[in-house]
Amino acid sequence: GQQVMQIPQYQHVQEGEDFTTYCNSSTTLSNIQWYKQRPGGHPVFLIQLVKSGEVKKQKRLTFQFGEAKKNSSLHITATQTTDVGTYFCAAMNSGYSTLTFGKGTMLLVSP
Amino acid sequence: NAGVTQTPKFRILKIGQSMTLQCTQDMNHNYMYWYRQDPGMGLKLIYYSVGAGITDKGEVPNGYNVSRSTTEDFPLRLELAAPSQTSVYFCASSYSPGSRGTDTQYFGPGTRLTVL
Repeated sequence: GQQVMQIPQYQHVQEGEDFTTYCNSSTTLSNIQWYKQRPGGHPVFLIQLVKSGEVKKQKRLTFQFGEAKKNSSLHITATQTTDVGTYFCAAMNSGYSTLTFGKGTMLLVSP
Repeated sequence: NAGVTQTPKFRILKIGQSMTLQCTQDMNHNYMYWYRQDPGMGLKLIYYSVGAGITDKGEVPNGYNVSRSTTEDFPLRLELAAPSQTSVYFCASSYSPGSRGTDTQYFGPGTRLTVL
């Protein structure tokens, strides 16, 4: 299956600071999905990016898909304590039936 | 709709015991998945199913078995529990019409399993 590397593994920010997590692949991806998992919870779908260079926004969250479709990023502007959790990227495998998840970036926000 | 439900929420097993983790979805999704999540390791796919009667191995299938006799249910069986199977198990489902591939995956609340 696909291999997706996520960095950083962990980030601790002060409330109001920005946060970015990156997802990288050595191969071209057909699409990329992003999920959020709150502490003690289950992953929840955030967004799917399909097109080269695509940028999508959800309030303070901005998602980008690289021009070569080998990388993606999630940027949170002015973090809030409600943003705490682990953010995963996931790439569709070549058979189109399954996803490979990155190891995730754990975000901690201090008030 | 209840979405994806999993039982039990928590379980402690002794080495060598067996158990079945239950997963049910009421969204008429054709695709269903079992993942395990270990601390700092993300989600690893154990088994998946693209429809009733069809199952396939994921990345880490050893020590597990599944069946898919109905669209709604996708139980995961552990036959001889080992400490290495201590983990959080998530079931997920998605709707994938035709050849479009897996779409948004909806996860259940998880089962926290400890093997001692």
